Amino acid sequence: AQTVTQSQPEMSVQEAETVTLSCTYDTSESNYYLFWYKQPPSRQMILVIRQEAYKQQNATENRFSVNFQKAAKSFSLKISDSQLGDTAMYFCAFMSETGANNLFFGTGTRLTVIP
Amino acid sequence: DAGVTQSPTHLIKTRGQQVTLRCSPKSGHDTVSWYQQALGQGPQFIFQYYEEEERQRGNFPDRFSGHQFPNYSSELNVNALLLGDSALYLCASSLAVAEAFFGQGTRLTVV
Repeated sequence: AQTVTQSQPEMSVQEAETVTLSCTYDTSESNYYLFWYKQPPSRQMILVIRQEAYKQQNATENRFSVNFQKAAKSFSLKISDSQLGDTAMYFCAFMSETGANNLFFGTGTRLTVIP
Repeated sequence: DAGVTQSPTHLIKTRGQQVTLRCSPKSGHDTVSWYQQALGQGPQFIFQYYEEEERQRGNFPDRFSGHQFPNYSSELNVNALLLGDSALYLCASSLAVAEAFFGQGTRLTVV
């Protein structure tokens, strides 16, 4: 079974600074997908970034980038130039290539951006 | 495009009762998945519907059941409610592989 671990329950960062959220996972599969979702107080899960395991290049989306280390089963999220609107819960998630689109989530990291 | 919509947004039920939650997928999406998110936890996969059939199921008891209609909308039913069923229930829709668009969820409180 796949497991996803987020070891940082809470983090904070000064506005305009950079912060990195950690995620590790466990799987025996070779092809899979990894995601970071943001959940603001509105409760809706919003996709931040997605990484395909067979791609060696780290995914980037504007201020968001990942550090994907397949051998170490590590998938961290870096947020640059943090903004107040980045304050939210962040969830790391795993999806098997053959998993019919169901996600396994970590327990989340609560990020607070301080003005 | 209205995105994924869920109803109701909140509801309160009494232990032992039954509840039905509803989800309309993003336009064109044919697959609907349901997740339960307990307070302070990440979402947990309940089941997924595709072509009106349950395609995959997580580790949830038979009290949790669902349905998908020809227009791809879906319902989640929970029978014999327990206090532990109190949670945020999220619906996600998808069409292509490795995507999931979520609704805003239904907050269920069992008293």
